[in-house]
Amino acid sequence: DAGVIQSPRHEVTEMGQEVTLRCKPISGHNSLFWYRQTMMRGLELLIYFNNNVPIDDSGMPEDRFSAKMPNASFSTLKIQPSEPRDSAVYFCASSPMGVVDEQFFGPGTRLTVL
Amino acid sequence: GENVEQHPSTLSVQEGDSAVIKCTYSDSASNYFPWYKQELGKRPQLIIDIRSNVGEKKDQRIAVTLNKTAKHFSLHITETQPEDSAVYFCAAKGGSYIPTFGRGTSLIVHP
Repeated sequence: DAGVIQSPRHEVTEMGQEVTLRCKPISGHNSLFWYRQTMMRGLELLIYFNNNVPIDDSGMPEDRFSAKMPNASFSTLKIQPSEPRDSAVYFCASSPMGVVDEQFFGPGTRLTVL
Repeated sequence: GENVEQHPSTLSVQEGDSAVIKCTYSDSASNYFPWYKQELGKRPQLIIDIRSNVGEKKDQRIAVTLNKTAKHFSLHITETQPEDSAVYFCAAKGGSYIPTFGRGTSLIVHP
């Protein structure tokens, strides 16, 4: 298995533009997490899906952020409109919850909003 | 909800020395405590974990101890090497299925 796949790996955009980050979890994993990592705040959980259903989105900073998981093999995190303070590394992680507790992280997307 | 505190934020040691990173948690229902290592520019990866029915676990040069009564757990790295330099995150997970991460410790091992 290739592990968790994220795209793009790097994204540079201008303030006000829409940004879409993509994630493909490990096949068979039924839990998916989106995290944001910054020097100031560390690793923050944004949203958690279980069996494609959003269970906890209390970490989503504001309405500009939205996430979807249309099927078991794909999830998106969208920021519209983007702002410079959204600049961070965004990680997607998956886990075969209920069997193994380990989270498997993707390589991350480094987002820079100018 | 769960609250995880991690100390120190930065740890600098000489090669060959031991390093200890400590975490405390607030939710007595937490029962799974993983440690992740994140090298510069890379993703976090699990290096060791411990469950609440175990007091200590070792894997070569790394070990984790858990004190449920005091609600704290620690990562111990012996005979540190330059390649141990990274950011280490502790986490605690209970019935919510959502792990709560500490803020991370930047470990620097000087050759």
